[in-house]
Amino acid sequence: DSGVTQTPKHLITATGQRVTLRCSPRSGDLSVYWYQQSLDQGLQFLIQYYNGEERAKGNILERFSAQQFPDLHSELNLSSLELGDSALYFCASSPLAQGGETQYFGPGTRLLVL
Amino acid sequence: DQQVKQNSPSLSVQEGRISILNCDYTNSMFDYFLWYKKYPAEGPTFLISISSIKDKNEDGRFTVFLNKSAKHLSLHIVPSQPGDSAVYFCAASYTHGSGNTGKLIFGQGTTLQVKP
Repeated sequence: DSGVTQTPKHLITATGQRVTLRCSPRSGDLSVYWYQQSLDQGLQFLIQYYNGEERAKGNILERFSAQQFPDLHSELNLSSLELGDSALYFCASSPLAQGGETQYFGPGTRLLVL
Repeated sequence: DQQVKQNSPSLSVQEGRISILNCDYTNSMFDYFLWYKKYPAEGPTFLISISSIKDKNEDGRFTVFLNKSAKHLSLHIVPSQPGDSAVYFCAASYTHGSGNTGKLIFGQGTTLQVKP
């Protein structure tokens, strides 16, 4: 158990809909990262928050947004969903927001868009 | 542009033998590297890491080697066990400069099968 929790574990929805994925970091970690793993792909960095502020952005679509709340949990919002958004979404956390740290991953949310 | 590459999608080895998983990177600014192991329906689990100031790091059955001039790292598992069967990802990050946010750049993964 990494100490990172994600809900829901599975999500099935239709094209055009909007969903919210939730992540709670390990106790004491201030940084949350979101990654997407599509079929046969490696993990792609989407976005990072550190202590409530956006810290870095990857190849995140404009239809996707995220935030980190004062209790440090984070939510990833995916809107106007398309079939190609079907993927595994992982969040990870680390103590700070710098290289050289180990990131610990949650179990992921499997999103299926029909 | 894939900055971290794992060119072998799969690897099969016999129990007790050595498993060698390889990873290449193109960005010379990367200076911290990690290996993660992933079982189906689970999140990646951290295995071992190495800083660019070292060329080797060991932890039990796992050893990571870094060849900076070749921009190549490898993970050695000795001896391999059936429970090691999983997907292995290498990842790279920066510890200096504007890219030093902690974000990880992952390879595509290598599926290791260890046969009893």
